[in-house]
Amino acid sequence: KNEVEQSPQNLTAQEGEFITINCSYSVGISALHWLQQHPGGGIVSLFMLSSGKKKHGRLIATINIQEKHSSLHITASHPRDSAVYICAASSAGGGADGLTFGKGTHLIIQP
Amino acid sequence: DVKVTQSSRYLVKRTGEKVFLECVQDMDHENMFWYRQDPGLGLRLIYFSYDVKMKEKGDIPEGYSVSREKKERFSLILESASTNQTSMYLCASSTYPITEAFFGQGTRLTVV
Repeated sequence: KNEVEQSPQNLTAQEGEFITINCSYSVGISALHWLQQHPGGGIVSLFMLSSGKKKHGRLIATINIQEKHSSLHITASHPRDSAVYICAASSAGGGADGLTFGKGTHLIIQP
Repeated sequence: DVKVTQSSRYLVKRTGEKVFLECVQDMDHENMFWYRQDPGLGLRLIYFSYDVKMKEKGDIPEGYSVSREKKERFSLILESASTNQTSMYLCASSTYPITEAFFGQGTRLTVV
């Protein structure tokens, strides 16, 4: 079963700072997902990537397949970025264990 | 372009009620999953389905059942809701093998 570790667990930063959230996994995957959950809100899929880098607005996700590591970056952070960010690894083998989630990173951006 | 839709964002039910959480995907995916999310515990698998009428128990199936009569729809059933089932419930679907996966927006269920 894949093990997915996220760091940091909690992160508080000032508005405008560059934010990095890390995700590492233990076995090969078919894709890595980043999800966002605002306080009291639903879950939004931000990225699904299997190689390289993807960018959407101020959010950038990268993945290094050899190192089994992915990062989510937020440039020019804003208080509305405050949320829990969750990474999830999908394994090509499928099955009930096919999706494995990190515990999440609780991000607070202070004005 | 919504791909996985959960029928409710917020739901409040009474103890003992039978509760249905519905999930529909429009991608013809074989796999569908139900998870619950609790503080400090992350997302835990309740049930998984790999085909119509096929299901497997996940890590925490007690108190839940599921139904998959059609490929696109996967229902989570709380036979007799209890307060310890108050949680966020997340549905996901994927291809088999898993080359892509998509997630619903989650349903916040409160049992009073």
